[in-house]
Amino acid sequence: AQSVTQPDIHITVSEGASLELRCNYSYGATPYLFWYVQSPGQGLQLLLKYFSGDTLVQGIKGFEAEFKRSQSSFNLRKPSVHWSDAAEYFCAVGARSNTGKLIFGQGTTLQVKP
Amino acid sequence: NAGVTQTPKFQVLKTGQSMTLQCAQDMNHEYMSWYRQDPGMGLRLIHYSVGAGITDQGEVPNGYNVSRSTTEDFPLRLLSAAPSQTSVYFCASSTRQDNQPQHFGDGTRLSIL
Repeated sequence: AQSVTQPDIHITVSEGASLELRCNYSYGATPYLFWYVQSPGQGLQLLLKYFSGDTLVQGIKGFEAEFKRSQSSFNLRKPSVHWSDAAEYFCAVGARSNTGKLIFGQGTTLQVKP
Repeated sequence: NAGVTQTPKFQVLKTGQSMTLQCAQDMNHEYMSWYRQDPGMGLRLIHYSVGAGITDQGEVPNGYNVSRSTTEDFPLRLLSAAPSQTSVYFCASSTRQDNQPQHFGDGTRLSIL
């Protein structure tokens, strides 16, 4: 079955500390992978995406993610967290042949301590 | 450029009432989708459409109807609202080209009493 798992429901980090949000997927074929961020009361904003090529992808707001096929993972990282990064983060997977459908993980809520 | 526009932003219904959530996009995207977001469950696909006149069911279609008469609009209908449909609903659109992400609206927060 196709699925996305974000093992950490809630993470708290201090401002300036590094961040890693985990994402594992189960998919029958090579997937397209996405990270979205949702601020309270807002819609989803695309942080970054992986389709092919370099397995380390750069996104907006200083985020990056690394695709590891052998581990079926697509973890999101940021070297130094800012208070404005507090939000909910979603990992999602889609088919390489675009179908307009995404499978989402449960989400990880990030809290940033001053 | 408005992107994906959802209306209303908030709605409270009584059990058994009907309602249509509106979604419009101005990017000429072929694909449109409806998701619901519930705490601890991420977003789940309700219905989707790959073009005008074509719709299909997603993961959680029961209790919802859709139609796609134009490229721009993709309304979601609740024929008889139930408390289990209390959720935040997101509409998304994308081109049919590969390598393209979905663009999301700001959501409709729906409460069924």
